[in-house]
Parts: sequence; structure tokens; C-alpha cells
Amino acid sequence: QQPVQSPQAVILREGEDAVINCSSSKALYSVHWYRQKHGEAPVFLMILLKGGEQKGHEKISASFNEKKQQSSLYLTASQLSYSGTYFCGTTSTGGGNKLTFGTGTQLKVEL
Amino acid sequence: DAGITQSPRYKITETGRQVTLMCHQTWSHSYMFWYRQDLGHGLRLIYYSAAADITDKGEVPDGYVVSRSKTENFPLTLESATRSQTSVYFCASRETGTGVSEQYFGPGTRLTVT
Repeated sequence: QQPVQSPQAVILREGEDAVINCSSSKALYSVHWYRQKHGEAPVFLMILLKGGEQKGHEKISASFNEKKQQSSLYLTASQLSYSGTYFCGTTSTGGGNKLTFGTGTQLKVEL
Repeated sequence: DAGITQSPRYKITETGRQVTLMCHQTWSHSYMFWYRQDLGHGLRLIYYSAAADITDKGEVPDGYVVSRSKTENFPLTLESATRSQTSVYFCASRETGTGVSEQYFGPGTRLTVT
């Protein structure tokens, strides 16, 4: 089953903050976050691992609640370049090597 | 050029025809993946490969065939294309099998089946 993302879409003014959520019904090992601009390939943002380890960009933060099988991506002081569709991908504990992606959150930042 | 490439970038084919989408990566990554992207569904995994000659099904494998005779190549074949296979197809590669390494995506192939 695909993880569920919320909200499905959000519009921000430049400088505002946003939170994108990702939840799964499975016990998770890792959560990956990607951003995709229109007509382009998804680009890696961050990995969060069970146990608290994180790998990713300095200007982006995220959290991983292992008990609730949820992750949140925090976008602060948004810029026009943050616009795009954000996907979370998850690997489950004992679920092998496959990343299962959510359906995405469309983010638009306006002046 | 280094990286992950896909060919063709755009393809129009007729129902019932066989079509092969190519994927090539230069990093010698062990893992390679094929996804399809459709509006409302996000990225769905079709097939993946852990190494040369090792492949496994993803969420939506029906109607697709893969092979991996060399580490760097991972072609996806639609044996008899249907309109429901009209989609954007992304190939991806990853260094390791666990969830600790990032996945790199190719530029995508936009396939239209008429």
C-alpha cells in the first residue's frame, strides 16, 4: 500500500512555512523525500532512518515518528524555487529494498 | 556522460505493438528500478533488479518484462502495448539495497499508446 500524504496541495506566499506529512500503515525502516518539478525527474531531498539518523540537505528539515509510522517535511521561509511536487517514499521493516512512494503533495510558492 | 539516461525520451506506439524502453547508468549501482507515473497515483514500482540477472516484481508488473544482463543496463519491454500503459516511465538506480542510500532518477520516457 502506498503511504498517504497530506495535504494534497498547498499554496504559499514567499517567506511562509509549510509542513508536508506522510503516513504509512506498515512498520517503517526509512522515509525518503523527493521533489519533482514539472516535466523533470524527482530529485532527492532527505532520508530519515529508524533510530534517528538523517541524511540530506542542510536547508530542509524533517522528522520521523517511528511509533506512528509518520514523517513530516518542514519547509521554512519558502522560496519560489520550492515549488513542485513533493513525494515521500518508504521502505518497511523486513520489506526488502523497494521504495514505495506516496501520491505526492503539490506545493506552489507565489510572490 | 556520467549519470543515468533513458531512451527514447518520447515514444508514440500503437496498441498491440512491442516497445522497449532503455535505461543506462554509469555508476555501477547494484539496484535499478522502473516506475510509472500517472496523475493521481504518484510513482508506482513496476520491476526492480538487485544485480545482473536478478529481477523482481513491484506493485504493477503486469504487461511488462525486464532483463538485466549487464549491471549498467535495465531495459523495460511492453510486450503488447495497451492504452492503459500510456504514462511517463522513470528508471532509477541506487547504490545499496537498504534504505540508507538515495535513489537517482533518469529524465523519464513519455510513452503514448494510441
